This record gives sequence, C-alpha cells and structure tokens, in this order.
Amino acid sequence: EAGVVQSPRYKIIEKKQPVAFWCNPISGHNTLYWYRQNLGQGPELLIRYENEEAVDDSQLPKDRFSAERLKGVDSTLKIQPAELGDSAVYLCASSLLTGSGNTIYFGEGSWLTVV
Amino acid sequence: GENVEQHPSTLSVQEGDSAVIKCTYSDSASNYFPWYKQELGKGPQLIIDIRSNVGEKKDQRIAVTLNKTAKHFSLHITETQPEDSAVYFCAASVTGNQFYFGTGTSLTVIP
Repeated sequence: EAGVVQSPRYKIIEKKQPVAFWCNPISGHNTLYWYRQNLGQGPELLIRYENEEAVDDSQLPKDRFSAERLKGVDSTLKIQPAELGDSAVYLCASSLLTGSGNTIYFGEGSWLTVV
Repeated sequence: GENVEQHPSTLSVQEGDSAVIKCTYSDSASNYFPWYKQELGKGPQLIIDIRSNVGEKKDQRIAVTLNKTAKHFSLHITETQPEDSAVYFCAASVTGNQFYFGTGTSLTVIP
C-alpha cells in the first residue's frame, strides 16, 4: 500500500514568490494534517482536515498561508508571498480516526528554502 | 494546551549498548504516546506507540514504558546498531487528533 505522497520534495524560491505543496494521503484516511518542521525542532501543526472540513487551523498564518482539501482526498498548501522565515520542511500526514484511537503517518516532506 | 519535553537532545552510544530517551507531558488527559524515527532527508516514521491503558510495550529491540502518575514515558533501544542512528521524536495525544511533539533526540551509534 502506498504511503503519504508529497511533491515537490525540494523547492528553492526567492522571497515574495508564491509556492505550493501537494499531498496525497493514504487511501481511505479521512484525516489529513499539514505540519511545519524547522531545523532541529519537532513538527508543529499548521492545519488539520477531517474529510473536507478544516477543523483546526489555529496555527496557520492566514495572511500568507492557505490550504484546501477538495473532495476530501488530496490537499494543497500554498504560501504567498513567501518570507525568509518560511524556510522549513512541510510535512503532510494522514490517519484514519476510529473509536479506539488514531495513528498518523507522515510523508517524506517538502523541503522549502526561501532566499 | 499540552507541553511535551524531551531529553536528551543528543545521545551517543557505542554499538551494542542501550539507549534511553525520556519525555514528559503536562496534560493528564493525554492517552496515546507514539514514537517516531526520522532519518536524514526523510519524514518521521512510526516505530512504536503505547496507549494509557498499558505500562509497557515491546517490539524486538525497542520498548516503550509509560508512567501515568509521573506523566512521563521513555523509549528504550537495546543492542543498538549503526542503522539506529537518527532523530527520534516522542508525541502525546489527548483526543487522538491533536498531537504534540517533543523537540527530538539525535541518536548516534558509534561502530
């Protein structure tokens, strides 16, 4: 079974430019997460979807970040305009929420460098 | 919200020795504690997890212990091998949807 797929794996852009990341979760997983991981730190949640609904976006910098999950499957995360401080790894994860709990699985990440 | 602290931040062991990484959490309602291994250039991979209704879980050379009273949990790796070298993250979850991660431990196994 395929895992969480992300693209692009690496992206270098100049500041003020836009960038978009795409995520395809594990088939059948209803919950999708976008995390940001700064160098030497643990992942920090940006947004969580349950099916098509964004149920937790409290940590998403809404002035420049946006996300969508059309049809409750794939998702995109966009940054416009990018700032130097946005350089990080953007991790997508998915899970199947059941009554007994939840295990999340991460993709390989999209490594963003803003210059 | 939940606060997860992890230590040490770096750990070096000789091949064959054991490694222990410890995490504490603040919210007594947390009930699920996964551990992830992240190799350079890759995403975190789940290696073991434990739920609050058990005190210990083992999978070959890896074990996790949980002390709910003290609100801490630990990862134990025995007979370490060079391929165990990676960054390890602990996490705690209250609702099963919100996960709070530690800051990571960089483990180096010296051949």
